[in-house]
Amino acid sequence: DTGVSQDPRHKITKRGQNVTFRCDPISEHNRLYWYRQTLGQGPEFLTYFQNEAQLEKSRLLSDRFSAERPKGSFSTLEIQRTEQGDSAMYLCASSLGQGDHTGELFFGEGSRLTVL
Amino acid sequence: AQSVTQPDIHITVSEGASLELRCNYSYGATPYLFWYVQSPGQGLQLLLKYFSGDTLVQGIKGFEAEFKRSQSSFNLRKPSVHWSDAAEYFCAVMGGGNKLTFGTGTQLKVEL
Repeated sequence: DTGVSQDPRHKITKRGQNVTFRCDPISEHNRLYWYRQTLGQGPEFLTYFQNEAQLEKSRLLSDRFSAERPKGSFSTLEIQRTEQGDSAMYLCASSLGQGDHTGELFFGEGSRLTVL
Repeated sequence: AQSVTQPDIHITVSEGASLELRCNYSYGATPYLFWYVQSPGQGLQLLLKYFSGDTLVQGIKGFEAEFKRSQSSFNLRKPSVHWSDAAEYFCAVMGGGNKLTFGTGTQLKVEL
């Protein structure tokens, strides 16, 4: 399968622990996005990369969150000192974009985080 | 800043009946508009998109949507709903910043 893959699919952790999610985009896609989705809500933008450069970060992304895309391929999203409010589905998407035209975003199946 | 409103949180239709899901957007210029569907525990699948041109766009699974600039709307329609269409539907707008802004979604239930 050559779609967007995310790992792990589910993560249960205790408050205060650190967690890391990985996203592997579609191989030729230069743009990669992270979204967060809580129950009953639509996905909310967190951050996006063009190649290895992180071009935009939402105010939702507190200093406990960090995202990287070191070689312009896969990306990681780390949450430090998790809080119960971090419980959500974390979605990754990728696209092939040029300039202002981002094109279609392809989403992975998400990583569900539960903080106890 | 762009925004999307989906006024209907839940909709129930009978199988075989027609469907219309409402979406209103706010964006200063011509937006790129999308409809996604999400089944439980799954990621988002693109149903259709509008970038420019013909304001009536066709998508997968028999869905269509019409862009109406005067009403700032992009409603999703299907003439005959199937039980497998039960899912959550999200409208989204892409404006500045190359990112999608989603509505809160409409949960569709199909009665057999």
